[in-house]
Amino acid sequence: QQQVKQSPQSLIVQKGGISIINCAYENTAFDYFPWYQQFPGKGPALLIAIRPDVSEKKEGRFTISFNKSAKQFSLHIMDSQPGDSATYFCAASVETSGSRLTFGEGTQLTVNP
Amino acid sequence: EAQVTQNPRYLITVTGKKLTVTCSQNMNHEYMSWYRQDPGLGLRQIYYSMNVEVTDKGDVPEGYKVSRKEKRNFPLILESPSPNQTSLYFCASSANRLFNTDTQYFGPGTRLTVL
Repeated sequence: QQQVKQSPQSLIVQKGGISIINCAYENTAFDYFPWYQQFPGKGPALLIAIRPDVSEKKEGRFTISFNKSAKQFSLHIMDSQPGDSATYFCAASVETSGSRLTFGEGTQLTVNP
Repeated sequence: EAQVTQNPRYLITVTGKKLTVTCSQNMNHEYMSWYRQDPGLGLRQIYYSMNVEVTDKGDVPEGYKVSRKEKRNFPLILESPSPNQTSLYFCASSANRLFNTDTQYFGPGTRLTVL
């Protein structure tokens, strides 16, 4: 049973376009929502994270939008570049659980030149 | 250079033959975890450790053991591997609880095949 559901499974975007990946969660106790980026042959790397007390967080071209009432959060990549082509994972955690993370299924993003 | 190292990177073994995947970090991190990555399922946490001698089960602990005798090392032990444990395994470490650290470091992965 997947507690964090991620969509789409794959996404193709043209260079300069906006990439949007969505996640939905079930456990209302989750209070930390990170996004990870993974390149082929590498481990995941933390990209950006948000707490539920804010509705949006932006770092450069990457923005997390968070909707607590809908139990959804999304990653927006503005001005997508071929170098952004990677697999993206959303995740969720309860702070008091320490480093326990529940991941979504992953989205393979391809940005065409 | 801050890093998490895993060994071996690739391993092919047979059912029932005990194996250990090592994980070591050089950042004096308290928190360490093991994940397995399978297509369509994302990453699933196997075990995690909040400090030396403190470990707890993640979402899929069956068939795995861990130990944390030293802060820097967190080996993953498969006492009797089975084909359903064929997967890509990642070790990770972080300095503190998730909210209080800027980042979490993942190792390069170990691709395990159990025949």
